[in-house]
Amino acid sequence: EAGVTQSPTHLIKTRGQQVTLRCSPISGHTSVYWYQQALGLGLQFLLWYDEGEERNRGNFPPRFSGRQFPNYSSELNVNALELEDSALYLCASSLGGGRNQHFGDGTRLSIL
Amino acid sequence: TQLLEQSPQFLSIQEGENLTVYCNSSSVFSSLQWYRQEPGEGPVLLVTVVTGGEVKKLKRLTFQFGDARKDSSLHITAAQPGDTGLYLCAGQHNNAGNMLTFGGGTRLMVKP
Repeated sequence: EAGVTQSPTHLIKTRGQQVTLRCSPISGHTSVYWYQQALGLGLQFLLWYDEGEERNRGNFPPRFSGRQFPNYSSELNVNALELEDSALYLCASSLGGGRNQHFGDGTRLSIL
Repeated sequence: TQLLEQSPQFLSIQEGENLTVYCNSSSVFSSLQWYRQEPGEGPVLLVTVVTGGEVKKLKRLTFQFGDARKDSSLHITAAQPGDTGLYLCAGQHNNAGNMLTFGGGTRLMVKP
């Protein structure tokens, strides 16, 4: 069984640019979660999508947004990039109940 | 804010030693997960505990959920170099929309 896949693995951007990260969940999983793992801050919850709808968002500004497609894959968009957005962005998926979230290997985003 | 505090933050031991990692909160969690993360990879789910007082074993790893579902511990017996990594606990509140609240992590190094 294929795990959660994320693309790209690495990205380098400059301040003010926009970026789109992609995630494919485990087959059969309907919920997708996005987390940010920044140095020194640990893993912070960003967004939760289930059945194509945004269900919850963490304490992040509106320039962090995303969507979930009918095939349950998801995109995370970040506009007006700032230096502090440099982090590992992790996607996780689960069945509807939310327990047993399985993570991909993340996208490493570096802002210059 | 529901916080999870992990201790110790860092642990360096010799192969064959035993160790315990603690995860504490003032909040009650509906479930608690333990993950292990290695450099360049996403967290890998080790176990989920849901019942107060529950004990689960995974080979040389023993996980316990506190009776009040506010704390958890991970005990490793006869640690091996392959156990080296970042151990993360993560709690879930059903009324918080399935998001996981992560502890700061315990970085374990097991020397041969």
